[in-house]
Amino acid sequence: SQQGEEDPQALSIQEGENATMNCSYKTSINNLQWYRQNSGRGLVHLILIRSNEREKHSGRLRVTLDTSKKSSSLLITASRAADTASYFCATDLNYGGATNKLIFGTGTLLAVQP
Amino acid sequence: GAGVSQTPSNKVTEKGKYVELRCDPISGHTALYWYRQSLGQGPEFLIYFQGTGAADDSGLPNDRFFAVRPEGSVSTLKIQRTERGDSAVYLCASSPDAANEQFFGPGTRLTVL
Repeated sequence: SQQGEEDPQALSIQEGENATMNCSYKTSINNLQWYRQNSGRGLVHLILIRSNEREKHSGRLRVTLDTSKKSSSLLITASRAADTASYFCATDLNYGGATNKLIFGTGTLLAVQP
Repeated sequence: GAGVSQTPSNKVTEKGKYVELRCDPISGHTALYWYRQSLGQGPEFLIYFQGTGAADDSGLPNDRFFAVRPEGSVSTLKIQRTERGDSAVYLCASSPDAANEQFFGPGTRLTVL
């Protein structure tokens, strides 16, 4: 089963604009991760935010986490055509210590028009 | 350094046949994961190895699926009596330990005719 749901399912923007994707989940987590996938194959890790963190930055990426609302957002600033991909959030569940699997959401398909 | 590799990249088989999918993790990564991704969906967890042992196999859909990691490095996912519903991209990931980011391979696209 999939715990996370991304919103929107699809997003189309112009190059240079910002893109915001949201993720909601159901159970308590150790951390939440965002991944990018091109052409339905290998996933690339973008950023990991732990349950005790509220915001994290990496280059043009900004991730927020609200554990009280069980939600996260990924902001991509100054988008480029190369950012076109599917974006997934994945939760690492709180098993009281070492965790062992990621539960992925359904993904947001981002299209950046040149 | 080298990333996670998976072979074959594509596998076409007939219903009822046996298949093996191989994963070579990043050297030194003790944690290894298998996921399955159907078209338009996010990856779904299958099994997790810590070292040589399967620490969590709760995602394997039924007893036709089995995976091994005999020496704590390379892993093989084995599917017996394949069914058309097994068609998907099978992804492998490895991690230095169980609580950090996972590094994914390019996947094996399995098609069962």
